[in-house]
Amino acid sequence: DAKTTQPNSMESNEEEPVHLPCNHSTISGTDYIHWYRQLPSQGPEYVIHGLTSNVNNRMASLAIAEDRKSSTLILHRATLRDAAVYYCILHNSGGYQKVTFGTGTKLQVIP
Amino acid sequence: EPEVTQTPSHQVTQMGQEVILRCVPISNHLYFYWYRQILGQKVEFLVSFYNNEISEKSEIFDDQFSVERPDGSNFTLKIRSTKLEDSAMYFCASSGIGARAGELFFGEGSRLTVL
Repeated sequence: DAKTTQPNSMESNEEEPVHLPCNHSTISGTDYIHWYRQLPSQGPEYVIHGLTSNVNNRMASLAIAEDRKSSTLILHRATLRDAAVYYCILHNSGGYQKVTFGTGTKLQVIP
Repeated sequence: EPEVTQTPSHQVTQMGQEVILRCVPISNHLYFYWYRQILGQKVEFLVSFYNNEISEKSEIFDDQFSVERPDGSNFTLKIRSTKLEDSAMYFCASSGIGARAGELFFGEGSRLTVL
């Protein structure tokens, strides 16, 4: 499996934007970049995914570098409810493949 | 919004007892999964299921574990003879196909406590 690298933890002030980085230098051409998050005491939750172009949805934006070796999940205004562990995961949809979780980035939101 | 539901939310059992954890995946999904998370640790893949058979399983998923989709809606995980180290949160997930195959929808989890 292609590997991703994320900081162990980050802090953000409430109502400020948060940029969560992810490096994936060994990404293959058919790997999608997926982001999940896990709120305390809950199951993982899908956030967003993309292949080459930047993506926006109601939860977040995903900015993908031109060479696809890195990406950034952007939360436009952090709320206390966004405090969670955020996982950046590569997933190849060319065939079936499980989603493998790493240790992710623990985001702390400061009121 | 459709969701994955799991029962029970919490089960306490004695070591050596059989446990069945139940899941109702999203109705039009085709891939089904079980994951577990021991307290304070990573979410770990156990098994995936597609077209009524196991697609992939991890080293954790030994002969004590089995999965079944008995009636076209439920997806169950059975642990035949529980051990203390099976204590964990167990998450069921389901997904569609193609580019959405990596978009897993997870349930709230079943907490298993083995005494």
